[in-house]
Amino acid sequence: DGGITQSPKYLFRKEGQNVTLSCEQNLNHDAMYWYRQDPGQGLRLIYYSQIVNDFQKGDIAEGYSVSREKKESFPLTVTSAQKNPTAFYLCASRTSGSIDYEQYFGPGTRLTVT
Amino acid sequence: DQQVKQNSPSLSVQEGRISILNCDYTNSMFDYFLWYKKYPAEGPTFLISISSIKDKNEDGRFTVFLNKSAKHLSLHIVPSQPGDSAVYFCAASAHTGANNLFFGTGTRLTVIP
Repeated sequence: DGGITQSPKYLFRKEGQNVTLSCEQNLNHDAMYWYRQDPGQGLRLIYYSQIVNDFQKGDIAEGYSVSREKKESFPLTVTSAQKNPTAFYLCASRTSGSIDYEQYFGPGTRLTVT
Repeated sequence: DQQVKQNSPSLSVQEGRISILNCDYTNSMFDYFLWYKKYPAEGPTFLISISSIKDKNEDGRFTVFLNKSAKHLSLHIVPSQPGDSAVYFCAASAHTGANNLFFGTGTRLTVIP
């Protein structure tokens, strides 16, 4: 069964701690994305990667870091520098070179920082 | 600056009637548009898309209309069903650069049985 998995579904952390969110895909997609969803603000792009060992900042990259060491994996670290880390985080992937732009999303991780 | 806008945060319709969700965009370079459906605490799922070379695309109960001169697109759902109750996001992309998607803020559709 092909798809994108994100774990865990819910994550709780204390303020000042770094936390890493997992994203794995077995769709053989080249491009992967991280979004953040806040109430009334839609989906905002944090980071994206179009190929292994390369990634680019999105619109709201401050306080986040990523790595792309394997095609299947694109973990996101929420650092203590992120001022408002509590949010719903979504990972997505897409095949490069396609004529359409459809991205496939994982189920999301709800991060709560107190 | 929000390049894709969904000005109606919510919409309620009766079951069996038509639901019309609207989306406006500002970037004239956008040439591909998508609608996603999202249930609470889940990831969005792709619904339907349209290329800028078309003005209409239909898939079962879902039809997307594109008016390039007005920079406006709409999603029609006919007939609406209670299972259609969800948040709908409009997204747009330009065939340049990274082909990233730009999302609207979403419209919450409630279909009343």
